[in-house]
Amino acid sequence: QQQVKQSPQSLIVQKGGISIINCAYENTAFDYFPWYQQFPGKGPALLIAIRPDVSEKKEGRFTISFNKSAKQFSLHIMDSQPGDSATYFCAAGTGGFKTIFGAGTRLFVKA
Amino acid sequence: DAGVIQSPRHEVTEMGQEVTLRCKPISGHDYLFWYRQTMMRGLELLIYFNNNVPIDDSGMPEDRFSAKMPNASFSTLKIQPSEPRDSAVYFCASSSTGMKTQYFGPGTRLLVL
Repeated sequence: QQQVKQSPQSLIVQKGGISIINCAYENTAFDYFPWYQQFPGKGPALLIAIRPDVSEKKEGRFTISFNKSAKQFSLHIMDSQPGDSATYFCAAGTGGFKTIFGAGTRLFVKA
Repeated sequence: DAGVIQSPRHEVTEMGQEVTLRCKPISGHDYLFWYRQTMMRGLELLIYFNNNVPIDDSGMPEDRFSAKMPNASFSTLKIQPSEPRDSAVYFCASSSTGMKTQYFGPGTRLLVL
């Protein structure tokens, strides 16, 4: 029940295309859903986050879509660029600050 | 701010040796987290502290692992004795009450031979 399932494991997208990464959770106690971006040799860094009372949040080329009834959320990267090539983690957290991370998606954007 | 500081950045040791990883959280943050990252298991939460007190250590793999936070600006993760399966990247992260974002350090890459 504590798991966050993320797919796909890896993704190759052409420059200018849309990258879509999906996540699903079971525990309805989760109230915070961040996405982290990790470049090789670095620690994960927060990209964008959403709370369950909002169905969509957009920051620049990055959009989170949230479906509370389905217990699913996704990250869309519009106009994907080679600099977006990284590993992306979805996560889910509760009021106690404990955060469960998905397995990660390796994104490669071809120039 | 310098961000979360971890040391050492790389550690190579032999099976059976004691390993100590160090973390300095961002000043003013009252939450500190230790994670382990491997290809097989992804990013796993090992333990987290609030105001220097361990809150949840259910992710600590076994008794060989221990973590301490003697004050607000320093934490250690110790493995004794180390085993080859402990090889991983260990991250420390910090956060603050009122914000959910966790700020990660650069990690310590541990190799146990």
